[in-house]
Amino acid sequence: DTGVSQDPRHKITKRGQNVTFRCDPISEHNRLYWYRQTLGQGPEFLTYFQNEAQLEKSRLLSDRFSAERPKGSFSTLEIQRTEQGDSAMYLCASSLESQGAQIRYFGPGTRLTVT
Amino acid sequence: AQKVTQAQTEISVVEKEDVTLDCVYETRDTTYYLFWYKQPPSGELVFLIRRNSFDEQNEISGRYSWNFQKSTSSFNFTITASQVVDSAVYFCALSEVNTGNQFYFGTGTSLTVIP
Repeated sequence: DTGVSQDPRHKITKRGQNVTFRCDPISEHNRLYWYRQTLGQGPEFLTYFQNEAQLEKSRLLSDRFSAERPKGSFSTLEIQRTEQGDSAMYLCASSLESQGAQIRYFGPGTRLTVT
Repeated sequence: AQKVTQAQTEISVVEKEDVTLDCVYETRDTTYYLFWYKQPPSGELVFLIRRNSFDEQNEISGRYSWNFQKSTSSFNFTITASQVVDSAVYFCALSEVNTGNQFYFGTGTSLTVIP
């Protein structure tokens, strides 16, 4: 059983550039989540999908952010016109829908540095 | 208001000492779930435990134990006979059923075990 994978693991970009991250969830999991984590903080929710439907977005997700999960499998998170404040670790997690709170299984994250 | 408070930002212990990580939560829901995750230096959040609000039994798993007390809204985590491999950031999280099982993470406690 492979876990959640994310690509790339590290990304350095210049302010104003667009970046895209990919997340591959655990294969049988139908829910996929994106979180952002800054230094010294816990992960903050950005958005989540159930299958291919994006069901919830945080107010943290500005118009420059977009996420997709076109076939209900992998997901991409794109940030347009990056700003230095976007520098953070972007974490993906997946879970299997069931009664009660699903356990989120996290990937290794993509660390974004905007210069 | 912070839903999950981890007042201990950093803790250092000498190997083989016991250490307790505190977690205090706030919720008005009667049905909720509490979690602990470990984040080693590699960055990936590792699930440790989930408890629901109706089960106050303490749990032990090897050197790890958890003390859930609804009366004080606390869900503390104890590592017995700590080892260097326990060095990591530990996050407590709350999921409320009435808010769509959204995860609220604390700010984490960084544990360093000194050999």
